[in-house]
Amino acid sequence: DQQVKQNSPSLSVQEGRISILNCDYTNSMFDYFLWYKKYPAEGPTFLISISSIKDKNEDGRFTVFLNKSAKHLSLHIVPSQPGDSAVYFCAASAESSGDKLTFGTGTRLAVRP
Amino acid sequence: DAGVIQSPRHEVTEMGQEVTLRCKPISGHNSLFWYRQTMMRGLELLIYFNNNVPIDDSGMPEDRFSAKMPNASFSTLKIQPSEPRDSAVYFCASSPARANEQFFGPGTRLTVL
Repeated sequence: DQQVKQNSPSLSVQEGRISILNCDYTNSMFDYFLWYKKYPAEGPTFLISISSIKDKNEDGRFTVFLNKSAKHLSLHIVPSQPGDSAVYFCAASAESSGDKLTFGTGTRLAVRP
Repeated sequence: DAGVIQSPRHEVTEMGQEVTLRCKPISGHNSLFWYRQTMMRGLELLIYFNNNVPIDDSGMPEDRFSAKMPNASFSTLKIQPSEPRDSAVYFCASSPARANEQFFGPGTRLTVL
């Protein structure tokens, strides 16, 4: 039972354009959401997060949007750069579950020069 | 800070052998997590500890898997006996108290022949 779903295994975008990565979840108890970025042969690194009390959080080129009614969040990267090419994982947590994070399967982003 | 340290980085073993993966969390972090990454299921949480005590081991696939945290600076994940389907990348992560963000190590790539 995959509670966090990333339905697009891969995405290819031209440099300078917008990258939109999507994530859906099924557990209504989730109240905090994170995006992690992973390069080959490295561990995932934290990118940006959002609490369920907000619907948008922005950090430089990265913006995360949360639609609680649709149980959907998205990560926007604009403008996309070749260095953004990586696997992006969506993760969610619920206060009732303590420190536990539930991850999606990841989306591989390729930014073409 | 050196970050989360994992050893070995690569492990190749034969079916039936015992495998021990090691992790040193970031100093001062209270929680430690073991994950397994596969193509089909993404990042799966196997077990996590808080203040050296196992809190949730519901993700441990079967009795062949065990994990210990004898002190705040060291944890092991053991597979005995190992099977080819255990081949994956195993990540260790740690986090400070009452924080959602987790810091990942570089992972151990396990191949069971």
